[in-house]
Amino acid sequence: SQTIHQWPATLVQPVGSPLSLECTVEGTSNPNLYWYRQAAGRGLQLLFYSVGIGQISSEVPQNLSASRPQDRQFILSSKKLLLSDSGFYLCAWSPTDRTYEQYFGPGTRLTVT
Amino acid sequence: TQLLEQSPQFLSIQEGENLTVYCNSSSVFSSLQWYRQEPGEGPVLLVTVVTGGEVKKLKRLTFQFGDARKDSSLHITAAQPGDTGLYLCAGGPRKPKTSGSRLTFGEGTQLTVNP
Repeated sequence: SQTIHQWPATLVQPVGSPLSLECTVEGTSNPNLYWYRQAAGRGLQLLFYSVGIGQISSEVPQNLSASRPQDRQFILSSKKLLLSDSGFYLCAWSPTDRTYEQYFGPGTRLTVT
Repeated sequence: TQLLEQSPQFLSIQEGENLTVYCNSSSVFSSLQWYRQEPGEGPVLLVTVVTGGEVKKLKRLTFQFGDARKDSSLHITAAQPGDTGLYLCAGGPRKPKTSGSRLTFGEGTQLTVNP
């Protein structure tokens, strides 16, 4: 069966510091991968998605970037965090033949101070 | 831009009551997903509906996709405290080949079932 991991689970970082969040998927190959951000108790905002190694689509202009160095690894980064980057970050994967079925990781709670 | 509106935004009921949550749009979707999310965790996929008028049942949960594929509803019978959570609907793009893999998410319905 497929599993998706995210780390760290929680992170507290000062403004201006760099960021690296990692997501890995097991049990499948060539998945579509996604990064979302969620405000408290609200819907999900798609940040990036990837259909293959090195292929990244950005949904909103922002202080963040994403990379996919390996088939089942997706990384969310920032060079300098802003207060507004605080939130709950979720990674998800979907099979390529059913991209509407997305399966989420446990999330990373980021607090920028 | 496709938008999904969920209602109600908040719902607090007693154990044993029935409830319905709605997900509406002026846009047509190729598919509609329902997720449940508990605090501090990722959303869990409950169901996918792809055909207009489709009805799916998952134990005490009944999901329906509108005939025109613009709306959906989630009905819970005899709610239990374990049903508490944030319910999110998400729509697949009308033209997935040109719109990529993007899902449009509603803002969610926060359900609390009191014992």
